[in-house]
Amino acid sequence: KQEVTQIPAALSVPEGENLVLNCSFTDSAIYNLQWFRQDPGKGLTSLLLIQSSQREQTSGRLNASLDKSSGRSTLYIAASQPGDSATYLCAVRLWGAGSYQLTFGKGTKLSVIP
Amino acid sequence: DTGVSQDPRHKITKRGQNVTFRCDPISEHNRLYWYRQTLGQGPEFLTYFQNEAQLEKSRLLSDRFSAERPKGSFSTLEIQRTEQGDSAMYLCASSLPRGQGDHEQFFGPGTRLTVL
Repeated sequence: KQEVTQIPAALSVPEGENLVLNCSFTDSAIYNLQWFRQDPGKGLTSLLLIQSSQREQTSGRLNASLDKSSGRSTLYIAASQPGDSATYLCAVRLWGAGSYQLTFGKGTKLSVIP
Repeated sequence: DTGVSQDPRHKITKRGQNVTFRCDPISEHNRLYWYRQTLGQGPEFLTYFQNEAQLEKSRLLSDRFSAERPKGSFSTLEIQRTEQGDSAMYLCASSLPRGQGDHEQFFGPGTRLTVL
């Protein structure tokens, strides 16, 4: 069974700092990995998707990397802003005919202090 | 707004009552997913539709839960005889057909269910 772990569970940084969020998964036979943002009481916003054949994806101040062999992904946020405060979730989809479900970690709650 | 929509956004019910939630996916998306999220946890997969066919179900989807997507457009999730343990956020997501869009899943705002 695929398990996804996110460390740390919570992180507080001053505005302007660069930061890294970590995600690890137990089964390396993944199809893709998605990073999401979730604001309190809200749904999920897709940030980046990395296919299993890719090493990284970038969108604005966000960069996600994938090391499938070691079962790890990182989300790098440059020049953090108070508006980045949210919970960040990673999710993986396994290879397998007919399996489209995502398996999520519990998330990292990020607070960016002005 | 062309995103995934869910209705209602909040539902409070008494234990033992039945509830039904609706999800409208992004219009060109033929794949639709339901997830459940409890406080402090990541979402957990419940079920998946491709067009009107329900192709994947989690063991979390007990016999009190039923989901439909009759015309391959909107979907409903019904919970019968609700229990306090059903209190959670119910999330719907959709994605493009195979060969398009890298199977990226887009989520709706969720329906928050509270069972008293």
